[in-house]
Amino acid sequence: EIVLTQSPDFQSVTPKEKVTITCRASQSIGSSLHWYQQKPDQSPKLLIKYASQSISGVPSRFSGSGSGTDFTLTINSLEAEDAAAYYCHQSSSLPYTFGQGTKLEIK
Amino acid sequence: EVQLVESGGGLVQPGGSLRLSCAASGFTFSSYEMNWVRQAPGKGLEWVSYISSSGSTIYYADSVKGRFTISRDNAKNSLYLQMNSLRAEDTAVYYCARSGVVLAPHDAFDIWGQGTMVTVSS
Repeated sequence: EIVLTQSPDFQSVTPKEKVTITCRASQSIGSSLHWYQQKPDQSPKLLIKYASQSISGVPSRFSGSGSGTDFTLTINSLEAEDAAAYYCHQSSSLPYTFGQGTKLEIK
Repeated sequence: EVQLVESGGGLVQPGGSLRLSCAASGFTFSSYEMNWVRQAPGKGLEWVSYISSSGSTIYYADSVKGRFTISRDNAKNSLYLQMNSLRAEDTAVYYCARSGVVLAPHDAFDIWGQGTMVTVSS
């Protein structure tokens, strides 16, 4: 099973700040890494797929990068509505796995 | 509108059974792989099970293998999760989620349902 480790677990940030969340895989997964946003009491929402592919309807301030074992989700110019938990997910091999999540708090 | 709607959750005693359903609409259900993902209260996301578009290929997380059964009825645009021998640790919101197609399998989960709560308690 591929283990995904996110960092940090929690971050408190101010609006307009740039935020970086990392996800490290226990073995190479190519670019089969996806990012989701989950706001309280809502279902997860796909933000980025295959490490860096943008998703229609997702604000351009969200971007992703990386390949192999190290991946990054970047949020440029954070907005108050970005307060949420963020999860990475690998679909390189079954069983699929998720990172433990990163909770973003807006100061 | 592309939509997934789960149902069937509820309170069940340890050792009991429950069958979850996921109704799909707005897309060609028979073309897509489907998954169940769960989230225990206050915890992160855990993938539970996968089924291919035809239903011929199925995978389970170790935590549910032998107790849960995923299935689909493409004629009814529906996905199911039969859960037997339920334990307290199975308490979670259960989401169905759409992923890849035959020509692009094992894709991201691009559509999620609203979730259905399963509580295992005496």
